[in-house]
Amino acid sequence: GAGVSQSPSNKVTEKGKDVELRCDPISGHTALYWYRQRLGQGLEFLIYFQGNSAPDKSGLPSDRFSAERTGESVSTLTIQRTQQEDSAVYLCASSLTLTASSYEQYFGPGTRLTVT
Amino acid sequence: QKEVEQDPGPLSVPEGAIVSLNCTYSNSAFQYFMWYRQYSRKGPELLMYTYSSGNKEDGRFTAQVDKSSKYISLFIRDSQPSDSATYLCAMKKPGGYNKLIFGAGTRLAVHP
Repeated sequence: GAGVSQSPSNKVTEKGKDVELRCDPISGHTALYWYRQRLGQGLEFLIYFQGNSAPDKSGLPSDRFSAERTGESVSTLTIQRTQQEDSAVYLCASSLTLTASSYEQYFGPGTRLTVT
Repeated sequence: QKEVEQDPGPLSVPEGAIVSLNCTYSNSAFQYFMWYRQYSRKGPELLMYTYSSGNKEDGRFTAQVDKSSKYISLFIRDSQPSDSATYLCAMKKPGGYNKLIFGAGTRLAVHP
């Protein structure tokens, strides 16, 4: 079946512009996660959704970052007034539930964001 | 201090070598330990998952957890060029949701 898809795959934007990144999780997966991966670094948790609510937004770096999810489907991560330090790969993952037994998160290929 | 420390490498080995990848962590609350493999320009994929201390084997891969030392390892036997990738360790606490804390990843190159 289809995996997690993300769009666009690459995005180059000018400093100060807003960008919107999209994630389509695996059908039926209720949990959805956003991570950021800077060059040569591990994944940094941003936010997770259970359905369309976001119980933990603690990883969002600043109020320029926001995310929403439509039901148990598509999620968008929006970065306003982009800065050069926002340049990174933004990865989305989904999993069946939030229980400890559903540990496996399936990742999309990521969106590579470059802020010039 | 980061919660999870992982040497970024790069690590270069000849085909057939045994590879040892390691992570240390500082938070004793971590109970679940994972290894992800990430090929260039792809998302990470789960390779191994362990809960308790000890060893877990899957084909050429062995995951080892030593909670007393807060140290985890991934061993790859008979390494192949197709194993060339970045290996990320990840950990989570029990309960709640599946928030994973990742190491920086170790870049591995297996040359023929």
